[in-house]
Amino acid sequence: DAMVIQNPRYQVTQFGKPVTLSCSQTLNHNVMYWYQQKSSQAPKLLFHYYDKDFNNEADTPDNFQSRRPNTSFCFLDIRSPGLGDAAMYLCATSRTGGAGNEKLFFGSGTQLSVL
Amino acid sequence: GDSVTQMEGPVTLSEEAFLTINCTYTATGYPSLFWYVQYPGEGLQLLLKATKADDKGSNKGFEATYRKETTSFHLEKGSVQVSDSAVYFCALEHNTDKLIFGTGTRLQVFP
Repeated sequence: DAMVIQNPRYQVTQFGKPVTLSCSQTLNHNVMYWYQQKSSQAPKLLFHYYDKDFNNEADTPDNFQSRRPNTSFCFLDIRSPGLGDAAMYLCATSRTGGAGNEKLFFGSGTQLSVL
Repeated sequence: GDSVTQMEGPVTLSEEAFLTINCTYTATGYPSLFWYVQYPGEGLQLLLKATKADDKGSNKGFEATYRKETTSFHLEKGSVQVSDSAVYFCALEHNTDKLIFGTGTRLQVFP
């Protein structure tokens, strides 16, 4: 029944070693979001896709990239993880965007540790 | 810029106690306001929302009223249960299709 699926639940990587987090959805939603949530902080939007259109937040570091090969899948690539990138990464979807009228569906998140 | 401020937690209550979690916001105009809940090991779920001043959102016994005059959207429940233990996030959206979250408030309910 899970509608937004994130794998893995926990990911450990080494300092500077590229890592990819994945998200898939069974809702056929147009919009997919990636949020970063550090301990005791608010989730922070990194970027989102509206269909194939990529929208990067102005303050998202270049170290973070994303790919959306099809409607169902979206990937977060961290090219050279630093210790400060350790966080929970949340994927979310919405049917058409416009959070005022369309609610977001979140996955369970991937907890990334950087050693 | 737009922002959301929540009371710090954890909030610790006994079962059947009254709950209030304060949330205030800063934004021009009339944003939409939300409460999301995150149960242990799960993703965020929409709990309730209000899209204009004086609207009251409600769900599962929780309520919040959009107060433009005090720029607030406090979450309340008359009688909490152990199963309500979770982290609660207040959020707003304002003409950007993107949610801005508060830092979250952890609620712990004991039998």
